[in-house]
Amino acid sequence: DTAVSQTPKYLVTQMGNDKSIKCEQNLGHDTMYWYKQDSKKFLKIMFSYNNKELIINETVPNRFSPKSPDKAHLNLHINSLELGDSAVYFCASSQLQGISGNTIYFGEGSWLTVV
Amino acid sequence: AQSVAQPEDQVKVAEGNPLTVKCTYSVSGNPYLFWYVQYPNRGLQFLLKYITGDNLVKGSYGFEAEFNKSQTSFHLKKPSALVSDSALYFCAVRDDSNYQLIWGAGTKLIIKP
Repeated sequence: DTAVSQTPKYLVTQMGNDKSIKCEQNLGHDTMYWYKQDSKKFLKIMFSYNNKELIINETVPNRFSPKSPDKAHLNLHINSLELGDSAVYFCASSQLQGISGNTIYFGEGSWLTVV
Repeated sequence: AQSVAQPEDQVKVAEGNPLTVKCTYSVSGNPYLFWYVQYPNRGLQFLLKYITGDNLVKGSYGFEAEFNKSQTSFHLKKPSALVSDSALYFCAVRDDSNYQLIWGAGTKLIIKP
């Protein structure tokens, strides 16, 4: 019973292609995230959605477009892939961050390699 | 500016010895602090968090962390290290301006048999 699941786990693709990563959570959370982890293991938030609405959009190229069909799903579509997009992408979820420090739960990651 | 720092890129400890992974923070309000662990080729797993209350927080896998307000630190500790504790450890603090987590750079913990 995976709490936050994302597919595919590994993705190798050529420059210029368009690809999507899917994410689903069964924790009943209302907030979902996409994080990027680079080759030096730095974690950077890309997007955050609450109840299907975008609440955080960090400085990310507009080739990256998140889509949330419902609060349990947050997919990431990437257009015109570039070599620099090679990274690990983590989906995560939590209750809405507010007064209390709600724990964020992560998926297992999607390893994207652009060749 | 709010920030979190993990001053050690890598920590090496012999199995059975106590371990400490350091974290310091800077926030304008009350700190909400988190530790996560990442095993190779895996996602991040929550270990423990400090919101309020007792300065010593106990978490998963026998880990604990001590909140020290005067030193603005939240060091992760374990009394007796296991080889299986070898992993990448991340400290995070909540950003008061948008309630999102600010992540440290990670510390690689190596436990030698």
